[in-house]
Amino acid sequence: QVTLRESGPALVKPTQTLTLTCTFSGFSLRTSGMCVSWIRQPPGKALEWLARIDWDDDKYYNTPLKTRLIISKDSSKNQVVLTMTNMDPVDTATYYCARTTGGQPGVPYFYYYMDVWGKGTTVTVSS
Amino acid sequence: QSVLTQPPSVSGAPGQRVTISCTGSTSNIGAGYDVYWYQQLPGTAPKLLINGNSSRPSGVPDRFSGSKSGTSASLAITGLQAEDEADYYCQSYDSSLSGPWVFGGGTKLTVL
Repeated sequence: QVTLRESGPALVKPTQTLTLTCTFSGFSLRTSGMCVSWIRQPPGKALEWLARIDWDDDKYYNTPLKTRLIISKDSSKNQVVLTMTNMDPVDTATYYCARTTGGQPGVPYFYYYMDVWGKGTTVTVSS
Repeated sequence: QSVLTQPPSVSGAPGQRVTISCTGSTSNIGAGYDVYWYQQLPGTAPKLLINGNSSRPSGVPDRFSGSKSGTSASLAITGLQAEDEADYYCQSYDSSLSGPWVFGGGTKLTVL
């Protein structure tokens, strides 16, 4: 059974750096074709894809947010970490991590999809 | 403003058929990239509903179907049930500066 769980601070101050951890089980980031993505959702608003890290350590970032994001992995601990710098109240959201896969070998990276999601963690940015 | 455009809301009575559209452009759906659909029940995380434009993951009822044509995609739900009331999001890859992976603005489905 594949599960993911997000953890991190519930409250951060403006200009601070947010660090979120995704701890997963049921799959390995050492397996070809396995990836983890981060997605966020401001209250009452739409989903926004943030970043993705692949089994081979390839990384992809939301282009407008690229300068603020860093994604990394510790495959031995089954964890993926997302850091977002210079937090602002508009970054208040529920942050999700999701297993991302192409479904079968040889699928191009842009055809990967988020097939299992964590429950999310709520982050509020306020002084 | 989302790169993929969805109607904010749709509604239907139990048993009816509803469709949700997802309109993109030549940098995403129109470029041939696949469309995915996610269902988000109230207060829960999104769940993959359709992948590869029209494939249903194991466990998703065949009442849900997806299609794609040109720069648009659609999600159809037949035999509407009360438990289908949720937010639905389309998602695709975008080769412009808005991407690389983008979601629609979401559609709230109300079962009357």
